[in-house]
Amino acid sequence: EDKVVQSPLSLVVHEGDTVTLNCSYEVTNFRSLLWYKQEKKAPTFLFMLTSSGIEKKSGRLSSILDKKELFSILNITATQTGDSAVYLCAVEDNNDMRFGAGTRLTVKP
Amino acid sequence: NAGVTQTPKFQVLKTGQSMTLQCAQDMNHNSMYWYRQDPGMGLRLIYYSASEGTTDKGEVPNGYNVSRLNKREFSLRLESAAPSQTSVYFCASRVAYSGNTIYFGEGSWLTVV
Repeated sequence: EDKVVQSPLSLVVHEGDTVTLNCSYEVTNFRSLLWYKQEKKAPTFLFMLTSSGIEKKSGRLSSILDKKELFSILNITATQTGDSAVYLCAVEDNNDMRFGAGTRLTVKP
Repeated sequence: NAGVTQTPKFQVLKTGQSMTLQCAQDMNHNSMYWYRQDPGMGLRLIYYSASEGTTDKGEVPNGYNVSRLNKREFSLRLESAAPSQTSVYFCASRVAYSGNTIYFGEGSWLTVV
């Protein structure tokens, strides 16, 4: 059965810390892996990854995919309180987009 | 540009009542989706419509029906609501069936008592 597993489920850090969020997957016909940030309402898009080893970067956030080991990581450096959110990983196959349960990140001042 | 708009935002239903969640997108997207989100379980796909005129079951379709009314609109119907359907529902859309990011509506909070 296809599945997407994120770890840790929750994480509490202090401003300035660096965090790494993990996403492992098992899907039959992988097309892409996506990261989303969800605050109070709708998830908002962060990255789409399709190729192994190519880092995507946006400000303090970066992500990379390993298609051999079937996982991706999302790094956030110099965390700020505004980074507090649930981070969702989704994997697209031929049929749909399957989401992990999410990692709840809390950044304390 | 409103993006993906879903209504209502909040609804309380009694067990056995029916209701329809409405969703419309103004981005000329081909594919539309309905997800539900429950604590600790991420987003689970209920139904999707890869293009106008087609609909398919997702991971958790039981108890729901959908209608792709036209390219813009994709509705989700609960024929006989059950407490297990208490959840947050998200409508989403994207340009094509794959290879593009998905855009979400603001969510509909549904409570079935």
